[in-house]
Amino acid sequence: DQQVKQNSPSLSVQEGRISILNCDYTNSMFDYFLWYKKYPAEGPTFLISISSIKDKNEDGRFTVFLNKSAKHLSLHIVPSQPGDSAVYFCAASLNAGGTSYGKLTFGQGTILTVHP
Amino acid sequence: ETGVTQSPTHLIKTRGQQVTLRCSSQSGHNTVSWYQQALGQGPQFIFQYYREEENGRGNFPPRFSGLQFPNYSSELNVNALELDDSALYLCASSLVSADTQYFGPGTRLTVL
Repeated sequence: DQQVKQNSPSLSVQEGRISILNCDYTNSMFDYFLWYKKYPAEGPTFLISISSIKDKNEDGRFTVFLNKSAKHLSLHIVPSQPGDSAVYFCAASLNAGGTSYGKLTFGQGTILTVHP
Repeated sequence: ETGVTQSPTHLIKTRGQQVTLRCSSQSGHNTVSWYQQALGQGPQFIFQYYREEENGRGNFPPRFSGLQFPNYSSELNVNALELDDSALYLCASSLVSADTQYFGPGTRLTVL
């Protein structure tokens, strides 16, 4: 049961344009969402997160949007740069009634390629 | 401030053997989580340790076990290795159990 899905295995974008990476989830109890970037031979690097009480969070060129009714989140990168080329994972966690623990459920990843 | 470190970087074992992977958490972080990432997949949660106690476990058999030490470093032990255990094993630390997790570079395990 894939509770977090990234349906686009890859995305190709021109430098300077917007990159939009999408993620869907099925568990309505998820209340915290994160995006990680991963280069080959490195561990995932935290990019940006959003709590379920918000619908948008920005950090520089990165913006995450959350649509709870659609169980959908997206990551916007503007403007895209060649150094952004990597695998992007969305992840979700839930706080189980106060005894929370940070189990992250990841999507399968989307390979972003930004062409100069 | 040092980040999360893992050792070894690569490891080759044969089926049936046992393996121990090590992780040092980021300075000040008391929580360590372990993940398995198979080729082409996202990381899968194995378990989490908080203040030396297991604090949640994913769908992994008991031959996957762990430890956390007083300095918050951690070990992942896998007994009776199977071919499907070949994967990248990632360790992540966080300030508290439900906070943002920061990952190490991983250990690539190959089981022949």
